[in-house]
Amino acid sequence: EIVLTQSPGTLSLSPGERATLSCRASQSVSSSYLAWYQQKPGQAPRLLIYGASSRATGIPDRFSGSGSGTDFTLTISRLEPEDFAVYYCQQYGSSPTFGQGTKVEIK
Amino acid sequence: QVQLVESGGGLVKPGGSLRLSCAASGFTFSDYYMSWIRQAPGKGLEWVSYISSSSSYTNYADSVKGRFTISRDNAKNSLYLQMNSLRAEDTAVYYCARDSNGADYWGQGTLVTVSS
Repeated sequence: EIVLTQSPGTLSLSPGERATLSCRASQSVSSSYLAWYQQKPGQAPRLLIYGASSRATGIPDRFSGSGSGTDFTLTISRLEPEDFAVYYCQQYGSSPTFGQGTKVEIK
Repeated sequence: QVQLVESGGGLVKPGGSLRLSCAASGFTFSDYYMSWIRQAPGKGLEWVSYISSSSSYTNYADSVKGRFTISRDNAKNSLYLQMNSLRAEDTAVYYCARDSNGADYWGQGTLVTVSS
C-alpha cells in the first residue's frame, strides 16, 4: 500500500497569501496518478488537480499542481476567502489511498 | 449534468448488514469505473472499493475485504455496496464517485452508523 503523508497538518494564512501544500508518497506514484481535492465542511470533496498537474474542469488557475515520483505539491497562488478548506491528495493507482489532509485556515 | 445520489444508509447493530445504492444520471454510466469512498466523523477520506465499467474487475481496501461487495447494474445506472459483518469502525459517510482521472464527481454521501 502506498502511504501518502501530507504536510503541514494545518496552514494558517491570510487572504491574498500563497499556500504551498506538500504530499509525499512512500513509493513512486505510477504515471503521476496523483490528484488533489478540496473539501469544505458538510460538503463532498471536489476534484482540483489530476495527473499531478492538470486542473479539473472549472478550477481557477490560481490552483496549480506539480511533482512526480514521490514528491508532489499543490500551490494556491493567492488565497481567496472561499479557498479556506481541507485539502487531500490521493494516488489513484490500482489500490488508491488518500493523504490525511491539510487544513488551510484563516490567520 | 452529472448527478450521483446515494441511499440506504442508517443505523445498524454490530454484525449486521446494509446495502447502499447510488443512482447515476447525466452521463453514460456504463463507460466509467465507479468507486465507494468513506469518511468517518471528523476524519479523513478512505477509499473503500472500485468496480470496472463492465464489472469484470473489482478491488477493495484491506479494511473491508471479505465483508463488503461492490456491484453495479448498467441497465439501471446504479452502483451498490453490500456491507456485511459491520463493525463500529465502519461508521462513516459513504460517498459514491465516478472514476475519471481521480474521482471527478461525487454524490452527497449517505451516513452509516454502526452501534448497539
